[in-house]
Amino acid sequence: EVQLVESGGGLVQPGGSLRLSCAASGFTFSSYWMHWVRQAPGKGLVWVSRINSDGSSTSYADSVKGRFTISRDNAKNTLYLQMNSLRAEDTAVYYCARGDANNMDVWGKGTTVTVSS
Amino acid sequence: DIQMTQSPSSLSASVGDRVTITCQASQDISNYLNWYQQKPGKAPKLLIYDASNLETGVPSRFSGSGSGTDFTFTISSLQPEDIATYYCQQYDNLLLFGPGTKVDIK
Repeated sequence: EVQLVESGGGLVQPGGSLRLSCAASGFTFSSYWMHWVRQAPGKGLVWVSRINSDGSSTSYADSVKGRFTISRDNAKNTLYLQMNSLRAEDTAVYYCARGDANNMDVWGKGTTVTVSS
Repeated sequence: DIQMTQSPSSLSASVGDRVTITCQASQDISNYLNWYQQKPGKAPKLLIYDASNLETGVPSRFSGSGSGTDFTFTISSLQPEDIATYYCQQYDNLLLFGPGTKVDIK
């Protein structure tokens, strides 16, 4: 079964850091682009970042550029999102998703990040 | 920067009704548009890619059309399980979702 499982969410103070992980199984992880998408409580979907299959190319939304870093470990079938300088507006459910450069065809259930003092 | 709008923001329709949602881009994005369905409390699901191509396993009552700046998503006969929020997403310049359209049963 194709599966993505996010972890690492939690409560963090403004200005703090958090690293999210996404464990992939049931498919050849190293063949796919991967994405992070977030959704603030009661709000719409916001694309955050993507990384190509070998990790050599990354892209970010303007709202997180310079603060968030996407990476992957193909040997461990795991995607990461390092989040620094966190703000209240980063509070959201964070989904990882498999796809190509332009779309996302398999999604995890999400992990919740709350930025609050 | 590209802006995406969707209309309506919400709608109520009866089972069996034809439902149409529009998505507009602020500039020409060719057919670089996808549609997703998100049911309450669930992760999104890809329904339509490249504006008009049905993702494998998605029921044929869902369809998409359009190119350039104006796109349409249609449910030909609304079913109770279609209650969800629907999002368009452009990929002409990075990726950006529209604000979503919430669909309810009347």
